[in-house]
Amino acid sequence: KNEVEQSPQNLTAQEGEFITINCSYSVGISALHWLQQHPGGGIVSLFMLSSGKKKHGRLIATINIQEKHSSLHITASHPRDSAVYICAAPNYGGSQGNLIFGKGTKLSVKP
Amino acid sequence: GAGVSQSPSNKVTEKGKDVELRCDPISGHTALYWYRQSLGQGLEFLIYFQGNSAPDKSGLPSDRFSAERTGGSVSTLTIQRTQQEDSAVYLCASSPTSPGNYGYTFGSGTRLTVV
Repeated sequence: KNEVEQSPQNLTAQEGEFITINCSYSVGISALHWLQQHPGGGIVSLFMLSSGKKKHGRLIATINIQEKHSSLHITASHPRDSAVYICAAPNYGGSQGNLIFGKGTKLSVKP
Repeated sequence: GAGVSQSPSNKVTEKGKDVELRCDPISGHTALYWYRQSLGQGLEFLIYFQGNSAPDKSGLPSDRFSAERTGGSVSTLTIQRTQQEDSAVYLCASSPTSPGNYGYTFGSGTRLTVV
């Protein structure tokens, strides 16, 4: 079974700050997922990446397959970025969708 | 439809009763997934459908849990003889045959409370 660890568990930032959330996993994978869960509970899939870097607006996700580590960066953070960010890796030997989820990083961006 | 629709949004049931949770995926999405999110456990995978078949049901926690999908569309998750530890938010997601660049589209979940 893949183990997924996220850090930090909680993060408070001032508007405009650069944010980094880290994720490490124990077993080699085909792709890693980053999800965003808003205070109302809805979950949005942000990225699915298997190598290098992906960018979507102010969000950047990177992955280092050799080090089994991924980071999610938010540039010019805004209060609307306040949410729980969750990384997820495939369960070893499981199908697509069979994911092991990190415990999440709760981000609060203050104006 | 435009998004993944789940019903009911909230369900309170008495211990020992059976419940059915429904998921209506995005039209054309052949893959459908069920997850649950509970306070103590975080997010957990339950079952994956490709069309009407379930090639991976390894996450179902006990034989009280079952799921089916008909017509390659709507899926129902059934929990028999509910227990208090079944209380959680049950989330459904769908994707094209493989998730592609952005992964899955999630529904807003069914909050199940067993009293």
